[in-house]
Amino acid sequence: DAKTTQPPSMDCAEGRAANLPCNHSTISGNEYVYWYRQIHSQGPQYIIHGLKNNETNEMASLIITEDRKSSTLILPHATLRDTAVYYCIVRLPLSSNTGKLIFGQGTTLQVKP
Amino acid sequence: NAGVMQNPRHLVRRRGQEARLRCSPMKGHSHVYWYRQLPEEGLKFMVYLQKENIIDESGMPKERFSAEFPKEGPSILRIQQVVRGDSAAYFCASSPRSGKNEQFFGPGTRLTVL
Repeated sequence: DAKTTQPPSMDCAEGRAANLPCNHSTISGNEYVYWYRQIHSQGPQYIIHGLKNNETNEMASLIITEDRKSSTLILPHATLRDTAVYYCIVRLPLSSNTGKLIFGQGTTLQVKP
Repeated sequence: NAGVMQNPRHLVRRRGQEARLRCSPMKGHSHVYWYRQLPEEGLKFMVYLQKENIIDESGMPKERFSAEFPKEGPSILRIQQVVRGDSAAYFCASSPRSGKNEQFFGPGTRLTVL
């Protein structure tokens, strides 16, 4: 699995968009970009994933650069409950039979009032 | 649809005892993963199981740790002769048989070894 690089911490004002970057310059063609978050002491929560195209769901948007070497997770209107550690993970699809997620250190997002 | 369930949520053991952690995947999910999070550290993959089969155990310590996912019942992570270094949060995740690949995590079991 490709290695990812994320800033260790970020702050965001409540109500503003939070943009969390991730570098994955060694990503290969069939590897997906996944985002999870872990709110203090809870189990990680799936947010979104994508391969090439930008993706959006009720939680967030995922913007993947054309060369796929980096991506940005966007929380459009951050709330205090979005304070968490956000993990960017690159992995093969389940069909490859290697289902494990490799978590890095992630980005600690602090949403401030 | 209930989420992934883990029990117990908190488990205290003395050194040398056995710890048994249970994970019930979401309904219809046949893939189970176990992860460990040591204090102040990130999550580390331990083992990936499908019903009655261990698919990937590359993250399991070589001794004292074992996992199973029987045809009926929950997945079990078993730690024999626990030591203080086993104190951690153990998370289980499940994913469906095919289609979407995201893993859904349970609330974790916090193991404390005295």
